[in-house]
Amino acid sequence: DAGVTQSPTHLIKTRGQHVTLRCSPISGHKSVSWYQQVLGQGPQFIFQYYEKEERGRGNFPDRFSARQFPNYSSELNVNALLLGDSALYLCASSLAVNTGYTFGSGTRLTVV
Amino acid sequence: QQPVQSPQAVILREGEDAVINCSSSKALYSVHWYRQKHGEAPVFLMILLKGGEQKGHEKISASFNEKKQQSSLYLTASQLSYSGTYFCGTEKANRDDKIIFGKGTRLHILP
Repeated sequence: DAGVTQSPTHLIKTRGQHVTLRCSPISGHKSVSWYQQVLGQGPQFIFQYYEKEERGRGNFPDRFSARQFPNYSSELNVNALLLGDSALYLCASSLAVNTGYTFGSGTRLTVV
Repeated sequence: QQPVQSPQAVILREGEDAVINCSSSKALYSVHWYRQKHGEAPVFLMILLKGGEQKGHEKISASFNEKKQQSSLYLTASQLSYSGTYFCGTEKANRDDKIIFGKGTRLHILP
């Protein structure tokens, strides 16, 4: 069975640009969460979607947005990139919030 | 709101036991435990729900003290494969659909 797939795996962008990260959850999983992980730190919560509705938002600026599609895949968009946005972006899917998450391998974003 | 994990790092010899603690300043509904190896994604170990406890793996177990807003992960007779960084993730009692992770505990097992 396919796990959580994220694309692209690596990305280099210039300050001020926009980026779109994509995530396909495990088949049957209706919940998708996005996390930002900086080296040496725990994953920081960005968004959680369930059945195409935003159910939770972390302390990230409005430059960060996301959506979930009818097939439960999801996109994370970041506008006006800053150097500090450089991180590993993880997508996690689950059947529901109170079940364990399966994480994708992440997208490594480097802003130069 | 971020849970606090302790210790930050621990070094063990194969076969020794370890305990990793996770505490929150907020009342909790659930506690998740994950292990992340270098360069890899976090892997789910187990979830503990308010009013109950689930054991996910042999020799790796956890407890959840709702009153103290704490959880502990127990690794028994550690194996080399247990090395990695362990994260607890917590959801508040108000079920706000946010799993917030701690900063992690780095565990290194020596042969």
